[in-house]
Amino acid sequence: QVQLQESGPGLVKPSQTLSLTCSVSGVSLNSGSYYWSWVRQPAGKALEWIGRVYTSGTTNYNPSLKSRVTMSLDSSKKQFYLNLTSVTAADTAVYYCAREVFYFGLDVWGQGTTVSVSS
Amino acid sequence: QSVLNQPPSASATPGQRVTISCSGINSNFGDNFVYWYQQLPGTAPKLLIHRNNQRPSGVPDRFSGSKSGTSASLAISGLRSEDEADYYCATWDDSVSGPVIFGGGTKLTVL
Repeated sequence: QVQLQESGPGLVKPSQTLSLTCSVSGVSLNSGSYYWSWVRQPAGKALEWIGRVYTSGTTNYNPSLKSRVTMSLDSSKKQFYLNLTSVTAADTAVYYCAREVFYFGLDVWGQGTTVSVSS
Repeated sequence: QSVLNQPPSASATPGQRVTISCSGINSNFGDNFVYWYQQLPGTAPKLLIHRNNQRPSGVPDRFSGSKSGTSASLAISGLRSEDEADYYCATWDDSVSGPVIFGGGTKLTVL
């Protein structure tokens, strides 16, 4: 059974960097069939795709966040990562990690972790 | 970047059939697959429909998807109280390796 679990600080100060980890079990990050994605959702608002990282390290980012986002993965640790720099209150949201299957959509999601940006 | 438009809300009574629409204003939407996600209150989204009309294993056949041109829809028949949730359509901007675009979501209320 594939499971994803987000972890990281629940509170980040404005202008600092938000760093999250997604721990994966039940599947190898080396599988060429999957992308590893991040999605966020401000309270009461819609889902927003942040980006994805492929097993090779290739990344695709939401154009609106591209200048502030970095994603990477460590297959030996079965983890992938999100860094979002220069955060503001607008980055306050529930952050989800998810597995994206080529052409089949985001089929496995973590439970989400709430990140607040406040001084 | 593409935009996917959904009605903010929908409602129906138990046993009825309800449809939720999703329309795209980017011409690429006509060529791309559409996906639907269900988000029950306080939980993570769940993949409901992939590639326009395919149900993942475990999704009841009460849920069905369709797409025609630049519009898509999700239909739920035999509505149940546990179907009360937010529903999001999604596709890619440009190609399958491009950014994922989500619709604004539709809150379904079971009266």
